[in-house]
Amino acid sequence: EPEVTQTPSHQVTQMGQEVILRCVPISNHLYFYWYRQILGQKVEFLVSFYNNEISEKSEIFDDQFSVERPDGSNFTLKIRSTKLEDSAMYFCATSLREVVDTQYFGPGTRLTVL
Amino acid sequence: RKEVEQDPGPFNVPEGATVAFNCTYSNSASQSFFWYRQDCRKEPKLLMSVYSSGNEDGRFTAQLNRASQYISLLIRDSKLSDSATYLCVVNERNYGQNFVFGPGTRLSVLP
Repeated sequence: EPEVTQTPSHQVTQMGQEVILRCVPISNHLYFYWYRQILGQKVEFLVSFYNNEISEKSEIFDDQFSVERPDGSNFTLKIRSTKLEDSAMYFCATSLREVVDTQYFGPGTRLTVL
Repeated sequence: RKEVEQDPGPFNVPEGATVAFNCTYSNSASQSFFWYRQDCRKEPKLLMSVYSSGNEDGRFTAQLNRASQYISLLIRDSKLSDSATYLCVVNERNYGQNFVFGPGTRLSVLP
């Protein structure tokens, strides 16, 4: 069964550093999403991406964050100048269509900011 | 602020029990509804979509009441492998997917 993959599985960084989290979507999927889950808390929507542009973003997704799909396969989340509170699990998800469609989640990247 | 609320849990039930989870959502414009399950430190995985007419998949039955803005999940004959956190997920938009997750209800099925 096709699956979403994410790298790295765990990223440790110093506060103030930039990190890039990578996701390889399911090959024929067109819609891409990033979510985060702080330990012990609920999953929170960050951003959705379609046709090489952001289609929606939450209030969490401020200027510190950016997304891109640089090579037509990887979908990346960049976090500039990381803060301690950015420590969380970051999940990529993809869907084939937009309306009422199922989202398939990758295994996540655990980001630890020291 | 638009929210999705769930039973706080945890639910501890013996194998073979029937267990029901409840979920309410505040945005009446919400268009689609899902139950996901999440194992500890793993990604959410789709359990089932929830349709207005109600739907069943083996031991799992989901119901939607739009008037009351209420969603339920019933698990019959629970198995040890059903132990997980069950997430109620609401898509608030008809076009575009703003998935709003509930906090989850943890289920432990005991031998």
